[in-house]
Parts: sequence; C-alpha cells; structure tokens
Amino acid sequence: SQTIHQWPATLVQPVGSPLSLECTVEGTSNPNLYWYRQAAGRGLQLLFYSVGIGQISSEVPQNLSASRPQDRQFILSSKKLLLSDSGFYLCAWSRDRGAYEQYFGPGTRLTVT
Amino acid sequence: AQSVTQLGSHVSVSEGALVLLRCNYSSSVPPYLFWYVQYPNQGLQLLLKYTTGATLVKGINGFEAEFKKSETSFHLTKPSAHMSDAAEYFCAVSDPIQGAQKLVFGQGTRLTINP
Repeated sequence: SQTIHQWPATLVQPVGSPLSLECTVEGTSNPNLYWYRQAAGRGLQLLFYSVGIGQISSEVPQNLSASRPQDRQFILSSKKLLLSDSGFYLCAWSRDRGAYEQYFGPGTRLTVT
Repeated sequence: AQSVTQLGSHVSVSEGALVLLRCNYSSSVPPYLFWYVQYPNQGLQLLLKYTTGATLVKGINGFEAEFKKSETSFHLTKPSAHMSDAAEYFCAVSDPIQGAQKLVFGQGTRLTINP
C-alpha cells in the first residue's frame, strides 16, 4: 500500500528565516505530487505540482519554491519567510493516470513569528 | 475554468439525523468529483469519488453522494449522523492540466453533531 509522509509536523520560524518542508511517498512510482496551503478557516490553495523529477509548475506567484530531486520526494522551500507564509501545508500525491484522486499527507503547521 | 460551491460553511445536525452537505460544480469537461473529510490538524481523507458509470457512489463511513448532471450537483449524504462525523468536508472537481489533474476545492463545510 501507499504511504505519504511529511515533516516536520509543526514548525515555528521567525520572519526572514529559511524554510524547508519535505514530503515523501512510498509504495508507488512516478506519482504526481502537489503542495497546498490551507490558511486558518479557509479552503485549500494549490501552490505547486509536479509530474516528474525536476518538473515543477507554480500555480501562484509567491515567496515559496518547490523542488523534486527524486521520484518520490517533494520539497517546499523559502529563502526568507514572511508572516503571511503561516498556515497548514499539505502534500498530496496522485497516480499519473485515471481519475487522479489525490491522497494527502498529515500536514505541517507553520507559524511565522 | 472549473469551480466548486459548497452551500453552507457550517451545518449542524443532531446525532442520528440525516446529514446533507451540498456541492455544486462548474466544469467545461465531464467532471471527476470528490468528497474529502478533514479532522482537526490532520490531512484530508478521501471519502468517495465519481468518475463514470453509476451516479450514486458509496464511500467510507456510511457516506454516499449522487452525481446529478442536470443540476451540476454532487451532494453528500449520510442517513444517520454519528458524533465521530464532526469534521470539515470538502468537495472537489477535477481540472485537467498538462500531464495531471488539478483538483479545485470548495471552501469547505464544517459539520457539527449535537448530542
């Protein structure tokens, strides 16, 4: 069976500090990978998606970047965090064919102070 | 562009009562539709999906949803609410993108169960 991991679970970082959130998937190959942000009391905003190693598409201009150095690894980064980067970050994967339903990780709660 | 509207940001029902969460969508292509549930501080869990075929789909935890093309709706129901159903529910529609399918989510409906 497939499993998706995210870490860390929670993170408190000062404004201006760097960020690295990691997501890995087990039990499947060549997944599509996604990063979402969920602000308090709001829906999900798609930040990035990737259909293969090194292939990153950005949905919204922002202070964040993403990378996919390995088939089942997806990293969300920032060089300098802003207060507005606070939120709940969710990684998801889907198969590369079919209905493309997405399966979500447990999330990372980021608080920028 | 695809979009999803969930009617009612908060729904409250009594334990044992019918649960009905409403979702309407807009799609320029035959849609794939999904319902997800999110418990506090957790990721989203897939409840059920509609792709093709039977318009009444059954999911986990006793939930089901019916795809009605003429009404562009995909409402989620459960005959008898349980306290453990209290959570946030998201409806989503697929949006084709190159090599993948983006999901467009509604704003969510928070379900409260009264004892």
